[in-house]
Amino acid sequence: QKEVEQNSGPLSVPEGAIASLNCTYSDRGSQSFFWYRQYSGKSPELIMFIYSNGDKEDGRFTAQLNKASQYVSLLIRDSQPSDSATYLCAVIFTGGFKTIFGAGTRLFVKA
Amino acid sequence: EAQVTQNPRYLITVTGKKLTVTCSQNMNHEYMSWYRQDPGLGLRQIYYSMNVEVTDKGDVPEGYKVSRKEKRNFPLILESPSPNQTSLYFCASSDRGIGSPLHFGNGTRLTVT
Repeated sequence: QKEVEQNSGPLSVPEGAIASLNCTYSDRGSQSFFWYRQYSGKSPELIMFIYSNGDKEDGRFTAQLNKASQYVSLLIRDSQPSDSATYLCAVIFTGGFKTIFGAGTRLFVKA
Repeated sequence: EAQVTQNPRYLITVTGKKLTVTCSQNMNHEYMSWYRQDPGLGLRQIYYSMNVEVTDKGDVPEGYKVSRKEKRNFPLILESPSPNQTSLYFCASSDRGIGSPLHFGNGTRLTVT
């Protein structure tokens, strides 16, 4: 069974702090990794994707991938109340036909 | 505007009454997929389609059917809905380049009584 694991949270951080969200996956051959943000009652929207080991930065967001340890993380710098949402980690497993999602981590940013 | 359109947004029905949730995308994407989302379980894939007339089961296909007669449309069919199919459903598409992200519709909240 191919799995993607996330801490369900909630994760609570004060405004301006760094929020760190983590995700592990079971298939060592996975190639593509995504972070989606989902506000309550809304559809998921893509924040970042990463394919190579290391860090990838986009504005306040940094995705980190470590294939040897099979984890991917998302750092949100200068967290804002508008960042309060559920963050979904998604992995395309070997073969590339299916995107598997973690259950999501709820983030609360306190003003 | 590039988008994935699902209809209806909300649907309340009774056990056993066949229903169809429509999904259409205007981005010429080859890949389309249906997910259901339940509290604590995240998004689980129901069916996916790699191209016209090519469909395959996801992780939770029981009780669902799909068809892909045209590239833009991928309807989800519940022949005999049951209360355990009460859920939030999302249609998604991607162009299936290596590691392409998914574009989601706005969702359909289905209640089966």
